[in-house]
Amino acid sequence: DAGVIQSPRHEVTEMGQEVTLRCKPISGHDYLFWYRQTMMRGLELLIYFNNNVPIDDSGMPEDRFSAKMPNASFSTLKIQPSEPRDSAVYFCASSQQGSETQYFGPGTRLLVL
Amino acid sequence: KQEVTQIPAALSVPEGENLVLNCSFTDSAIYNLQWFRQDPGKGLTSLLLIQSSQREQTSGRLNASLDKSSGRSTLYIAASQPGDSATYLCAVRPTTSGTYKYIFGTGTRLKVLA
Repeated sequence: DAGVIQSPRHEVTEMGQEVTLRCKPISGHDYLFWYRQTMMRGLELLIYFNNNVPIDDSGMPEDRFSAKMPNASFSTLKIQPSEPRDSAVYFCASSQQGSETQYFGPGTRLLVL
Repeated sequence: KQEVTQIPAALSVPEGENLVLNCSFTDSAIYNLQWFRQDPGKGLTSLLLIQSSQREQTSGRLNASLDKSSGRSTLYIAASQPGDSATYLCAVRPTTSGTYKYIFGTGTRLKVLA
């Protein structure tokens, strides 16, 4: 398996623009997680899904952030409108039912100017 | 509110040294604790998981201990190698949280000099 795939790997955009981050989890995994990592706040869980259903979105910072998982092999994290303070590395991770081990993607480095 | 702290923030050691990384957490009500490794520009890789009922876990040159009552965990790396250079993060899963919701520390950046 190729592991968790994220795209794009790098994104530079201007304030106010819409940003869409994409994730393909490992085939057969039931859980999908979106994290954000910054120097100031470290690694934070934004939202996670189980069998494509959002279970906990309490980490989503604002209404500007939204996440979807239309099927078992694809998820998106959207920021609209983006702001400079959204600049961070966004990770997607997946895991199997009954396992505590999460497999992380390489991340998307987002810079909002 | 659960808070996880890792000290030191950065560490540089010569190759071959045994070393200890520290992790402390404020609330002892946890299901488990995990240690992760993060290489530059990459995601996290799980190294060791300790259930709340366990005292330690070992994998190769790595040994992690857990003292839940005092809110502490250590990661011991024996005979360090340059390939061990990375950032090490610990994370706890509070019993009050939902399934799989971990609280992460800010990490210790380790450099092992050849």
